Amino acid sequence: DTAVSQTPKYLVTQMGNDKSIKCEQNLGHDTMYWYKQDSKKFLKIMFSYNNKELIINETVPNRFSPKSPDKAHLNLHINSLELGDSAVYFCASSPGGGRVGYTFGSGTRLTVV
Amino acid sequence: QQQVKQSPQSLIVQKGGISIINCAYENTAFDYFPWYQQFPGKGPALLIAIRPDVSEKKEGRFTISFNKSAKQFSLHIMDSQPGDSATYFCAATAGGTSYGKLTFGQGTILTVHP
Repeated sequence: DTAVSQTPKYLVTQMGNDKSIKCEQNLGHDTMYWYKQDSKKFLKIMFSYNNKELIINETVPNRFSPKSPDKAHLNLHINSLELGDSAVYFCASSPGGGRVGYTFGSGTRLTVV
Repeated sequence: QQQVKQSPQSLIVQKGGISIINCAYENTAFDYFPWYQQFPGKGPALLIAIRPDVSEKKEGRFTISFNKSAKQFSLHIMDSQPGDSATYFCAATAGGTSYGKLTFGQGTILTVHP
């Protein structure tokens, strides 16, 4: 029973396209996040949502638009994809923005060609 | 600005040896310091964490040592096993408006030879 699930696991697309990544958690957590892991494996937060409300927007280009229809789901839509967007995107969740119980999904590897 | 600096970048250890990974932070508002383990194709998974009011925390073969005055903390893996081969990340987070934001170190690729 997967706690934080992301789809798709792999995404290959051409420059200029628009794509979405979906995330769902069944842990009952209030806070969800998107992290980006670059080719050097460096992990950096992009967004966090608490109960569907945007809390953190870490100076991400506005081509990236997160959407949280409910507290169990956080999707990431990316417009006009660029080569530099190629990375692994991780969804995560935690209870009430707390540090304990932080859980990551298994990632979506996005390749822009 | 890299707020959490991690070293070494890679580490090779023989089975049964001790693996040591070091991290240093700058932001004195950080008050929770977790370590994550990541296997290829998987997301980071919490290994062990410490708060700055203690100097050491041990869970099985994994120990965190914390030096608040030096703003440094380290992960020790005793009796390292081939199954420990993974990428390890230190992280830090502050309370309040940071709302669970994890600031990661650059990661250490650990290889344990049989």
